[in-house]
Amino acid sequence: NAGVTQTPKFQVLKTGQSMTLQCAQDMNHNSMYWYRQDPGMGLRLIYYSASEGTTDKGEVPNGYNVSRLNKREFSLRLESAAPSQTSVYFCASTNDRENTEAFFGQGTRLTVV
Amino acid sequence: AQKVTQAQTEISVVEKEDVTLDCVYETRDTTYYLFWYKQPPSGELVFLIRRNSFDEQNEISGRYSWNFQKSTSSFNFTITASQVVDSAVYFCVLSSGSARQLTFGSGTQLTVLP
Repeated sequence: NAGVTQTPKFQVLKTGQSMTLQCAQDMNHNSMYWYRQDPGMGLRLIYYSASEGTTDKGEVPNGYNVSRLNKREFSLRLESAAPSQTSVYFCASTNDRENTEAFFGQGTRLTVV
Repeated sequence: AQKVTQAQTEISVVEKEDVTLDCVYETRDTTYYLFWYKQPPSGELVFLIRRNSFDEQNEISGRYSWNFQKSTSSFNFTITASQVVDSAVYFCVLSSGSARQLTFGSGTQLTVLP
């Protein structure tokens, strides 16, 4: 039972490059989320998806796009990376029909130089 | 809008002391969920406890206990007889809304000294 799997774990990008962070969950959860964590600021919501085919902006969506490919997968894309996007990114999923906690991936440490 | 405030940025205690982490939340939803997560130095987020808005019974689970008071919008978390391995950042998290968006507090860095 893998839970939530994120790839890659580490990435260094040059300013202006693009990349996609992948996330997959095997718990049949409806809702999936992307967060970023910056020092001293807790986690902030970038985008979320309440169900397959739907996505909504969170608190800090600028510079990102997402795609809910199917119920299992939710990807985050940086079209033109900026140093301000240096952060640790977490994917999470929940089953919003039950009172369960959110399950998090291991995180992706992204550095934009 | 949802908001979670963890006023304690850093706490240091000596091993075996009890420590309470404070959390105050804001939400207009009548149904919501509150969680505590732990983030050790390795970086992963570890679920600790959960409470829903319609159950104010306080509980104890091992060395962990929590005090949920809707009247003051507080959800405090206590570790009894702290251990060095408890050293981590602790996040209070509010879940509400149709998509159960998670709102994190800024975290409390707990250091347990031997």
